[in-house]
Amino acid sequence: DQQVKQNSPSLSVQEGRISILNCDYTNSMFDYFLWYKKYPAEGPTFLISISSIKDKNEDGRFTVFLNKSAKHLSLHIVPSQPGDSAVYFCAASARGSYIPTFGRGTSLIVHP
Amino acid sequence: GAGVSQSPSNKVTEKGKDVELRCDPISGHTALYWYRQSLGQGLEFLIYFQGNSAPDKSGLPSDRFSAERTGGSVSTLTIQRTQQEDSAVYLCASLADRGSYEQYFGPGTRLTVT
Repeated sequence: DQQVKQNSPSLSVQEGRISILNCDYTNSMFDYFLWYKKYPAEGPTFLISISSIKDKNEDGRFTVFLNKSAKHLSLHIVPSQPGDSAVYFCAASARGSYIPTFGRGTSLIVHP
Repeated sequence: GAGVSQSPSNKVTEKGKDVELRCDPISGHTALYWYRQSLGQGLEFLIYFQGNSAPDKSGLPSDRFSAERTGGSVSTLTIQRTQQEDSAVYLCASLADRGSYEQYFGPGTRLTVT
């Protein structure tokens, strides 16, 4: 049973527009959430994170929103650039656990 | 500074053979993880080392899988009697300390069992 779900396997967006990647979780013990970005033939790289005490965290073009009541988080990329084309993984950790649970990823394609 | 490195980058082996995959974490990182990513799947946790504590092996799929971490640094993941379903990308990650959740991943080893 997947505790972290990324229900959209892929997303296609025009350059300059907003990309919204979604992630749902089922475990109410999760209290720290991370997004990783992965290019082909490379390992994932950390992008942005959010603690459950916040509902929003921004870093440049990237913003993560957390809705604890809905057990939902989303990553917004504005404006999207072709270099953002990659697979994005959502991950969640429970308090005191340093073993995160990863979603299956969403492949983002940003068209020039 | 140097990131996490893994070797080999690609490994093709015959069913039934043993393989060893190596991970060199970032110097000074106390935690080390092994994950597996099969085609179309997410990152499947295999094993977690933290300092000198006993490793968390709860993700190892069978007793054919084992891992060790020597001197708190380099780690080797061993798969004995490989099966075709072991074909995947094996990723290693390290973590600076318990105050951080952000993992640094290596480029992975692509294992193909024929």
